[in-house]
Amino acid sequence: AQSVSQHNHHVILSEAASLELGCNYSYGGTVNLFWYVQYPGQHLQLLLKYFSGDPLVKGIKGFEAEFIKSKFSFNLRKPSVQWSDTAEYFCAVNSGGGADGLTFGKGTHLIIQP
Amino acid sequence: DAGVIQSPRHEVTEMGQEVTLRCKPISGHNSLFWYRQTMMRGLELLIYFNNNVPIDDSGMPEDRFSAKMPNASFSTLKIQPSEPRDSAVYFCASSLKVNTEAFFGQGTRLTVV
Repeated sequence: AQSVSQHNHHVILSEAASLELGCNYSYGGTVNLFWYVQYPGQHLQLLLKYFSGDPLVKGIKGFEAEFIKSKFSFNLRKPSVQWSDTAEYFCAVNSGGGADGLTFGKGTHLIIQP
Repeated sequence: DAGVIQSPRHEVTEMGQEVTLRCKPISGHNSLFWYRQTMMRGLELLIYFNNNVPIDDSGMPEDRFSAKMPNASFSTLKIQPSEPRDSAVYFCASSLKVNTEAFFGQGTRLTVV
């Protein structure tokens, strides 16, 4: 079974600060990796995804993530955050070759102070 | 595309009552998922369907929970009888294939009093 660990449950930053949210997964085989964002009162939206190829993935709104296979990690980054980035961020994984649903981490609540 | 549509958006019910949550997936998507979100447990996969067939229901917490997908454009999640600990936000999601990205609905916030 897969599991996903997000290291930071709550992060508070000032506008223009750089962001890195950690995500580690446990699964022995090929994986697909995702970051979703949930703005207050809204549904989950896909930020970016990794299936294969270039391990540095660029998503919407200036976010990017790097897949490091040796570390089982898929950390989310943004060089300069904005107040509108305040939201809950979820890392998720499913098996690349199999047939299963997404397994989510517990989420990181990000607050950006103006 | 209207996206994944869930109804109702909010449901308040008394303990012991039957609750039915509804979901219309994105047209053409073959896989449908039901998730539950709580503060304590985060997002949990309850059950998923592929081509209208339930594939894995190991996440369904108890026999009080049941899900059906009678056709490609409709699914229900039923709780009977409901209990206060069932209070949560229930999300439906769909995807083209099981192991690809999922698109989420707005969720149903269920409160059982």
